[in-house]
Amino acid sequence: AQSVTQPDIHITVSEGASLELRCNYSYGATPYLFWYVQSPGQGLQLLLKYFSGDTLVQGIKGFEAEFKRSQSSFNLRKPSVHWSDAAEYFCAVLKAAGNKLTFGGGTRVLVKP
Amino acid sequence: NAGVMQNPRHLVRRRGQEARLRCSPMKGHSHVYWYRQLPEEGLKFMVYLQKENIIDESGMPKERFSAEFPKEGPSILRIQQVVRGDSAAYFCASSTTGQGGYGYTFGSGTRLTVV
Repeated sequence: AQSVTQPDIHITVSEGASLELRCNYSYGATPYLFWYVQSPGQGLQLLLKYFSGDTLVQGIKGFEAEFKRSQSSFNLRKPSVHWSDAAEYFCAVLKAAGNKLTFGGGTRVLVKP
Repeated sequence: NAGVMQNPRHLVRRRGQEARLRCSPMKGHSHVYWYRQLPEEGLKFMVYLQKENIIDESGMPKERFSAEFPKEGPSILRIQQVVRGDSAAYFCASSTTGQGGYGYTFGSGTRLTVV
């Protein structure tokens, strides 16, 4: 069965600093990979996804993620965070041609002024 | 083009009552998925439905939970005889195909509190 691990439960970062959120997955083949963001009391918004091809994926709101097959990782990055980036971030995997996402436990990001 | 609509946004039920959560998919989407988010946890898949069919209910608790997606109207997630442990946020997503990665859109969720 596939699984997703987000090792960091909480991360605090200063506004303007860079951010990296870690995601590791366990799956026999390369799955489809996603990052979602959830603001307090809201639903999930898709930041970016990786299916194949270029391993560096650009998303919305200035986020990018890099797929590293050798490390089974799909880490999310942003060069300079804004106060509005404070939220919870979820990594998710989907078996190719599958229909249900498996989510990590999430990383809550706090942004200091 | 409205997104995935879930209602109510918040629902409070006493133990033993029934909870009905509704989800209207995006226009043109005929595939609906329900996920549950327990406090301080990620989302867990519950059930995948197409119109009038349950395709995959491998994540549904065996008792008290049921889901439907009728030919007309929204998808309904029904929880009978709720218990405190059912308190969670329930999210619905929809897509145009059964391959969820190609266009999952999530609703804002229903937050169920059992008192």
